[in-house]
Amino acid sequence: QVQLVQSGAEVKKPGASVKVSCKASGYTFTSYDINWARQATGRGLEWMGWMNPNSGDTGYAQKFQGRVTMTRDTSISTAYMELSSLRSEDTAVYYCARVPAKGDRFDPWGQGTLVTVSS
Amino acid sequence: QSVLTQPPSASGTPGQKVTISCSGSRSNIVRQTANWYQQVPGAAPKLLIYSNNQRPSGVPDRFSGSKSGTSASLAITGLQSEDEADYYCAVWDDSLRGWLFGGGTKLTVL
Repeated sequence: QVQLVQSGAEVKKPGASVKVSCKASGYTFTSYDINWARQATGRGLEWMGWMNPNSGDTGYAQKFQGRVTMTRDTSISTAYMELSSLRSEDTAVYYCARVPAKGDRFDPWGQGTLVTVSS
Repeated sequence: QSVLTQPPSASGTPGQKVTISCSGSRSNIVRQTANWYQQVPGAAPKLLIYSNNQRPSGVPDRFSGSKSGTSASLAITGLQSEDEADYYCAVWDDSLRGWLFGGGTKLTVL
């Protein structure tokens, strides 16, 4: 079945970077966009950006421009999201999700990766 | 602050019907289709409704979606205790060229 499996929890210090992975299985990795969203504890979902695994094209939410980089390794069907200059407000669960086309739907979602930023 | 506006909470008793609204604008809900996600505590969101009113396989027909003008709605009939969760609407925004999520509605089954 279609599945996205994310890397494990991370603890980072302010100013550091974090790189979260999202391994796809059960479908052709290059045929669907991967999007990333995050959710702080007790808060709503916040979209971060998209990546086309075939072309490598990306689009980022304005809030994260300059701090986020989305990449992929097609040989292992894995997408990555790297967030730099971390601050305490970046503490959240980060999710990847498959999206068939622009404006379509997030399905399925990865299980989520908790990133904690603390000194 | 989300550009898609949802009520923060909703409630109902078992068997009742509950409706959750999602208010947007011409650059998102009017021009694009709305999706709805269900999130139970501690779990990832799950697709509930896509393209305004389509149910993925496995989603009970107690869940339905609709859209009118600048608003989308999620209706749940025959409310059950397992429906207690957070519900989020999501729409692509043409002006922002990105996805918007509503702030979420916490549904309580009394």
